[in-house]
Amino acid sequence: GAVVSQHPSWVICKSGTSVKIECRSLDFQATTMFWYRQFPKQSLMLMATSNEGSKATYEQGVEKDKFLINHASLTLSTLTVTSAHPEDSSFYICSASDYSEDTQYFGPGTRLTVL
Amino acid sequence: QKEVEQDPGPLSVPEGAIVSLNCTYSNSAFQYFMWYRQYSRKGPELLMYTYSSGNKEDGRFTAQVDKSSKYISLFIRDSQPSDSATYLCAMSALGNFNKFYFGSGTKLNVKP
Repeated sequence: GAVVSQHPSWVICKSGTSVKIECRSLDFQATTMFWYRQFPKQSLMLMATSNEGSKATYEQGVEKDKFLINHASLTLSTLTVTSAHPEDSSFYICSASDYSEDTQYFGPGTRLTVL
Repeated sequence: QKEVEQDPGPLSVPEGAIVSLNCTYSNSAFQYFMWYRQYSRKGPELLMYTYSSGNKEDGRFTAQVDKSSKYISLFIRDSQPSDSATYLCAMSALGNFNKFYFGSGTKLNVKP
């Protein structure tokens, strides 16, 4: 089956610093990658969709200057949370799909805690 | 009104019971229906994927789609404590595969 990895699995940082999260598709080429955010006991909230080599498309209400997304290759997308604040603390999950699939495969998630 | 409605539970059942998890939706354009299982502090894992109406079976899991009622179900037979997790339904429309609409998830607890 399709495998998606994320790194790091958890990170703690100080307020004001930037944090980069990597999402990799290990055994397929991900033409599209997605970034979600999940608060405790809530469902996934789509933040943005990125296609390889293109700018990401952000959902309404998501600050693109704060959540920088780069999809430089068919197997790697990164999410950088810039100038992180405690309210950015959350569980960030990426997913990926290729052109032939009608579904998404999720990574294991990254828990971000901003002190 | 949310696009997808799902009872958050929690649903608690004894080991061996048949579990029924459900979602309703409002958008008749949805054609692709997925069920994901999510353990605590982990990413969702794809369990079942169906297109349009009908049933699909995979081991102890059966997914049903009733498009006329805009209702989907996931049945788990012979439930095990290891099935304890949150189950998310997701769906997308034809021609817009990448836009997923998720239910809020149902937390299932299977007691040994």
